[in-house]
Amino acid sequence: DGGITQSPKYLFRKEGQNVTLSCEQNLNHDAMYWYRQDPGQGLRLIYYSQIVNDFQKGDIAEGYSVSREKKESFPLTVTSAQKNPTAFYLCASSWGTAETQYFGPGTRLLVL
Amino acid sequence: DAKTTQPPSMDCAEGRAANLPCNHSTISGNEYVYWYRQIHSQGPQYIIHGLKNNETNEMASLIITEDRKSSTLILPHATLRDTAVYYCIVTSSSNTGKLIFGQGTTLQVKP
Repeated sequence: DGGITQSPKYLFRKEGQNVTLSCEQNLNHDAMYWYRQDPGQGLRLIYYSQIVNDFQKGDIAEGYSVSREKKESFPLTVTSAQKNPTAFYLCASSWGTAETQYFGPGTRLLVL
Repeated sequence: DAKTTQPPSMDCAEGRAANLPCNHSTISGNEYVYWYRQIHSQGPQYIIHGLKNNETNEMASLIITEDRKSSTLILPHATLRDTAVYYCIVTSSSNTGKLIFGQGTTLQVKP
């Protein structure tokens, strides 16, 4: 099946710890995105990548980092600098930044 | 990107058509209207999009007014599984890919 997978479904972070969220797609899409969703709110863009080895900051990039070494993978690291990381994290992909985005199932990050 | 306005909540009887309105009075000529929905604790699901013509697919129909200032998403025969938050989003073909999700409309389908 073609699609977007995110792992894990739930992730727990201790104070001062970096954690990495996985996002993989087998749709052969060039563009990939990371969004954050807080309870009762809409999605906010963290980072996006239009092509391999290139990425740009979104609206709320502080405290996050990404890499795009392979077309199918776009991992997101939540660093210790992100003081309020508890949220639902969503990965999406599209053929290009002007095309329809398709979303993964999400990872819920909780702070211990 | 143009701002959208949607009612916060709507109810619909199972088996009836659900008509979800969206106002986007500041939409510009190159901006598309997209609809997504999000079932609780899942990723958003793409439904349909259009520029100025009405569109239909296996999930829904999208009716865009002639002046493009508003649109309506129609689910022709709503089921309980259609209960979700529905987001109307306006985005241009020249943007960076950022989708602006507002508060959306919570649709409750009732038996």
